Amino acid sequence: EVQLVESGGGVVRPGGSLRLSCAASGFTFDDYGMSWVRQAPGKGLEWVSGMNWNGGSIGYADSVKGRFTISRDNAKKSLYLQMNSLRAEDTALYHCARAIAVAGSNWFDPWGQGTLVTVSS
Amino acid sequence: YVLTQPPSVSVAPGQMARILCGGSNIGSKSVHWYQQKPGQAPVLVVYDDSDRPSGIPERFSGSNSGNTATLTISRVEAGDEADYYCQVWDSSSDHCVFGTGTKVTVL
Repeated sequence: EVQLVESGGGVVRPGGSLRLSCAASGFTFDDYGMSWVRQAPGKGLEWVSGMNWNGGSIGYADSVKGRFTISRDNAKKSLYLQMNSLRAEDTALYHCARAIAVAGSNWFDPWGQGTLVTVSS
Repeated sequence: YVLTQPPSVSVAPGQMARILCGGSNIGSKSVHWYQQKPGQAPVLVVYDDSDRPSGIPERFSGSNSGNTATLTISRVEAGDEADYYCQVWDSSSDHCVFGTGTKVTVL
């Protein structure tokens, strides 16, 4: 069974840092790109960042560029998101998702259940 | 790139629900759809405009043309009550874009 399990969320003060992890199982991790997608409480989905199988192609939403860093360790079958200079508006449930890339299009299947990040003083 | 969806759609059981996703020349892009039930992670229900992943009922179908993509749910069931999001990959910015989301209520 393909499974993604996020961890590392918590409560952090504005300006603080947090590192999220996503453990993958049930598929060949280094065959796929991966992404982080977040959902603020009561709001819609927002793509945060994504990378291809070897890190050669990386992208960030404008809202997090320069503050967040995505990375992966294929040997550990894990995806990471280093979040610095956190703001209240970064409060959200953060999902990792496996990316399927075909002919210039990307979709996500499956998704993890998410880890909650709360930025509050 | 912006994708616009109606905030809500209401439908009686057994009827058909159509969820629209509007975007500039969206017909030139591949559109994907996700279902999200309360407290759960999103689930892919349609990819590449009209293909269904294994395990998704045939009642879910998609189309895409011009400036509007459509997710159609035939013979709606109570279990279809959820939020639905469309998604594209914007090649000009190399970014993923999600629609604003539509809450489907089964009357």
